[in-house]
Amino acid sequence: GQNIDQPTEMTATEGAIVQINCTYQTSGFNGLFWYQQHAGEAPTFLSYNVLDGLEEKGRFSSFLSRSKGYSYLLLKELQMKDSASYLCAVRDLGNTDKLIFGTGTRLQVFP
Amino acid sequence: EAGVVQSPRYKIIEKKQPVAFWCNPISGHNTLYWYLQNLGQGPELLIRYENEEAVDDSQLPKDRFSAERLKGVDSTLKIQPAELGDSAVYLCASSLSGRNTEAFFGQGTRLTVV
Repeated sequence: GQNIDQPTEMTATEGAIVQINCTYQTSGFNGLFWYQQHAGEAPTFLSYNVLDGLEEKGRFSSFLSRSKGYSYLLLKELQMKDSASYLCAVRDLGNTDKLIFGTGTRLQVFP
Repeated sequence: EAGVVQSPRYKIIEKKQPVAFWCNPISGHNTLYWYLQNLGQGPELLIRYENEEAVDDSQLPKDRFSAERLKGVDSTLKIQPAELGDSAVYLCASSLSGRNTEAFFGQGTRLTVV
């Protein structure tokens, strides 16, 4: 995803909070998605933002600022099973409404 | 409800051989995607279908890759001939039409070209 930037790797401790940032550039923003992908498995949907603000879903929250081309995924009360890659994906209306993925952020949670 | 089903799960072939992957999307999902994912990278779109129409195939290397979704349901992706650099995971995903609908992914086919 050449138009989507996210950190390559992050580490955190069990029980802590971690924020994974994503910046993007699109011709026509049409929604932002966060996916979780465990090693060797398929990506699974976590959250969707299309309007500015915070969307909360249990331990996971996602924030969007369209004017800044910025989103973050917030994971609270980290568990060992949260060790995975987190993919930011943007739907770009100016690019045939394509769903474009970032390279993903590999999160390692330590005890 | 069954999710997106892909087969085979793993495939090892010699270079220059043909290979085909099959995908059965979630029932009722009009949109079907084929993505390629290299190790440590995010999925990269190869082709997107709306029903049986390929609406975005700009990233598909058409000299060796082809895809079809004849009846607007299941789809096949073919590579002929395969090259060493084609080794990757090929993911199929499907969704309902509409901007706020998430894509559901299959387990993928891990292709190794030797």
